[in-house]
Amino acid sequence: QQQVKQSPQSLIVQKGGIPIINCAYENTAFDYFPWYQQFPGKGPALLIAIRPDVSEKKEGRFTISFNKSAKQFSLHIMDSQPGDSATYFCAASKGGSYIPTFGRGTSLIVHP
Amino acid sequence: DARVTQTPRHKVTEMGQEVTMRCQPILGHNTVFWYRQTMMQGLELLAYFRNRAPLDDSGMPKDRFSAEMPDATLATLKIQPSEPRDSAVYFCASGLGYEQYFGPGTRLTVT
Repeated sequence: QQQVKQSPQSLIVQKGGIPIINCAYENTAFDYFPWYQQFPGKGPALLIAIRPDVSEKKEGRFTISFNKSAKQFSLHIMDSQPGDSATYFCAASKGGSYIPTFGRGTSLIVHP
Repeated sequence: DARVTQTPRHKVTEMGQEVTMRCQPILGHNTVFWYRQTMMQGLELLAYFRNRAPLDDSGMPKDRFSAEMPDATLATLKIQPSEPRDSAVYFCASGLGYEQYFGPGTRLTVT
């Protein structure tokens, strides 16, 4: 059972574009929603995270939008750069166990 | 700059051989996770420790895989005997609460 569904699987944008990656979850007990960025040959790195008590969080060019009623959250990358080309994973976890459930990942390519 | 370290970074072995992967979590972190990453399955959780006690290893094939934390500075993942289908990148992550910090991974190839 895939509890966190991520889309699209791959995404290509031009420099300066705003790629958007979407995730949907099923378990309403989830209370922490992080995004990880992974470059080839590296481990995933925590990029930004949100709790369900807010609808949006910004850190630099990265923004998470959260819709609790729809059980969806998304990552927006403003003014995307070629250096943002990576695989992005969404995840969801709940207090107590802290075990994250990961989405399948989105491969992002930003062309110069 | 505290980091999770993993050794070896690459391992090529023949089917049937024992493989041991090691991880040094970030000092002070009380949770350790082992993941396997493949193109087909994505990131799969294999084992989870909190305060060195194993809490969840339901994702791990019990007949050939084992995970231990002999002390707070070392976590190990062992495969015996290894099979070609075990070829993947294995990540260790440590954390304190919700946030997790991943190591660079061990790329395992079983021929």
